[in-house]
Amino acid sequence: AQTVTQSQPEMSVQEAETVTLSCTYDTSENNYYLFWYKQPPSRQMILVIRQEAYKQQNATENRFSVNFQKAAKSFSLKISDSQLGDTAMYFCAFQGGSEKLVFGKGTKLTVNP
Amino acid sequence: ETGVTQSPTHLIKTRGQQVTLRCSSQSGHNTVSWYQQALGQGPQFIFQYYREEENGRGNFPPRFSGLQFPNYSSELNVNALELDDSALYLCASSLGGQRWSTDTQYFGPGTRLTVL
Repeated sequence: AQTVTQSQPEMSVQEAETVTLSCTYDTSENNYYLFWYKQPPSRQMILVIRQEAYKQQNATENRFSVNFQKAAKSFSLKISDSQLGDTAMYFCAFQGGSEKLVFGKGTKLTVNP
Repeated sequence: ETGVTQSPTHLIKTRGQQVTLRCSSQSGHNTVSWYQQALGQGPQFIFQYYREEENGRGNFPPRFSGLQFPNYSSELNVNALELDDSALYLCASSLGGQRWSTDTQYFGPGTRLTVL
């Protein structure tokens, strides 16, 4: 069974600075997808970024980028130029050859003014 | 393009009762997945529906059941409610073309269920 581990329960960063959230996963599959979702206090789970395992190039979406290390089974999220609106829970998720997303326990990120 | 919607927003029930939660999928999506998110935890997969048929199930008892309708909206039914069923229930829709949908799942705002 796949597992996803987020080892940082809470993190904080100053506005305009850069922060990196960590995620590791365990799987025996070779083809899969990895995601970062953001869940603000409003509860809505919002897709931040998606990475396909067969692509070596790291995904980027504006201020958000990932460092995908397939051999190490590591998938970290870097947020550049942090904004107050980035304050939220961030969940790393894995999707292999099945129908479900497997989530980590989340990292609570606080951006301070 | 309309996003995923869920109703109701909040719900309070007592132990032993039954509840139905509803989800309308994003326009153009044919697959709906349901997740349970306990306080302080990541979401846990309950089941998925693809073209009105159950397409996979997580580790939840049979008192958790679902339906998908021809317009791809979906219901989650929970019978004989227990205190531990108190959680945020999230619905996600995606465009699945095969038995296993690996297309990106987009989430609704959730239904907060409290069981007293």
